[in-house]
Amino acid sequence: GAGVSQSPRYKVAKRGQDVALRCDPISGHVSLFWYQQALGQGPEFLTYFQNEAQLDKSGLPSDRFFAERPEGSVSTLKIQRTQQEDSAVYLCASSAGLTNEQFFGPGTRLTVL
Amino acid sequence: AQRVTQPEKLLSVFKGAPVELKCNYSYSGSPELFWYVQYSRQRLQLLLRHISRESIKGFTADLNKGETSFHLKKPFAQEEDSAMYYCALRGEDYKLSFGAGTTVTVRA
Repeated sequence: GAGVSQSPRYKVAKRGQDVALRCDPISGHVSLFWYQQALGQGPEFLTYFQNEAQLDKSGLPSDRFFAERPEGSVSTLKIQRTQQEDSAVYLCASSAGLTNEQFFGPGTRLTVL
Repeated sequence: AQRVTQPEKLLSVFKGAPVELKCNYSYSGSPELFWYVQYSRQRLQLLLRHISRESIKGFTADLNKGETSFHLKKPFAQEEDSAMYYCALRGEDYKLSFGAGTTVTVRA
């Protein structure tokens, strides 16, 4: 079946623009995670959801970052007033439960000019 | 706080030679340790987890709580093992913390 999908795959934004990154998890997966991966680094946790509830957002770097999953399926990560330091690959992962294997999407590469 | 350290950024070995990727961690509770792999142009995928104690694609990893290590080993490297490898830790808060990764190149 289909794995986790993310769109767009690439996004170029001018500094100050708002962006929205979408994640479609594997059908039936209740847990959804967002990670940020800077160049040359490992993924860093941003936030996670259990169904529609955002249980932990401690990794969001600033209040410009906002994530939602209103119906417990598709999730959107929004970044307002993008800055150059926001340039990274944003990864989404889903799992059947919090302790189950996380399946990763291909990522969205965000470049802020 | 939880932290994962992979001291080697790059590792180059010859085909058929043993390969060992080092991973050390710090965590005050009871962690779960993983190795993830990313092949060229593919997405990140789970290679193995310490609780399953499996050997996947010839790789094994043993959790050493005394040394706080979870090194990944394979006795005979193959060219298809060339990839980026990440060690990761999951604490009791369900969050994954990743190391910076090791790029492995297996030469013929």
